[in-house]
Amino acid sequence: EVQLVESGGGVLRPGGSLRLSCAASGFTFDDYGMSWVRQAPGKGLEWVSGINWNGGSTGYADSVKGRFTISRDNAKNSLYLQMNSLRAEDTALYHCARDPTSSITSFDYWGQGTLVTVSS
Amino acid sequence: QSALTQPPSASGSPGQSVTISCTGTSSDVGGYNYVSWYQQHPGKAPKLMIYDVSKRPSGVPDRFSGSKSGNTASLTVSGLQAEDEADYYCSSYAGSNSVVFGGGTKLTVL
Repeated sequence: EVQLVESGGGVLRPGGSLRLSCAASGFTFDDYGMSWVRQAPGKGLEWVSGINWNGGSTGYADSVKGRFTISRDNAKNSLYLQMNSLRAEDTALYHCARDPTSSITSFDYWGQGTLVTVSS
Repeated sequence: QSALTQPPSASGSPGQSVTISCTGTSSDVGGYNYVSWYQQHPGKAPKLMIYDVSKRPSGVPDRFSGSKSGNTASLTVSGLQAEDEADYYCSSYAGSNSVVFGGGTKLTVL
């Protein structure tokens, strides 16, 4: 059974940093691209960042470019999101999602998410 | 990276068909055959319903179908059932290893 479990969320002040993790199991992790998708309270889905199967290609939404860094450790079956210079508008539930291909196109499995709250 | 445009709401009676549109540009929807549709029930994670414009993942009923014409993609739900009431989001590959979502459509089964 495919499982994606996010962790690392919390409450922090604007300007702070946080590192999210996603532990994957039930599939061959390094066969798939992965992404982070967020959803602000009561709002829609927003793709944040994606990474291909070997980490050689990454992409970022304009809203986080230069502040967030995505990475993966295939030996640990884990995905990460380093979030710096956090803003109030980054407050959201952050989902880890698997791409059914080796790149970044769509998302067939999702974790339940980890909540990030940025507030002064 | 502008969000794709979806109608905020759609509705239909049980047994009817409803179509939700998703409009982008030639840089996303019109430029690639990587349009996906997701269903999200309150408090739940999104579920992939359609990928690559018109492909259905295993387990998704064939009442759900997808299509694309130019810069607009569409999701059609036939034979509406009460459990289809949910929020629906489209997404598209937008080049340079990026994906863009639509704003979402709340589907109500009357």
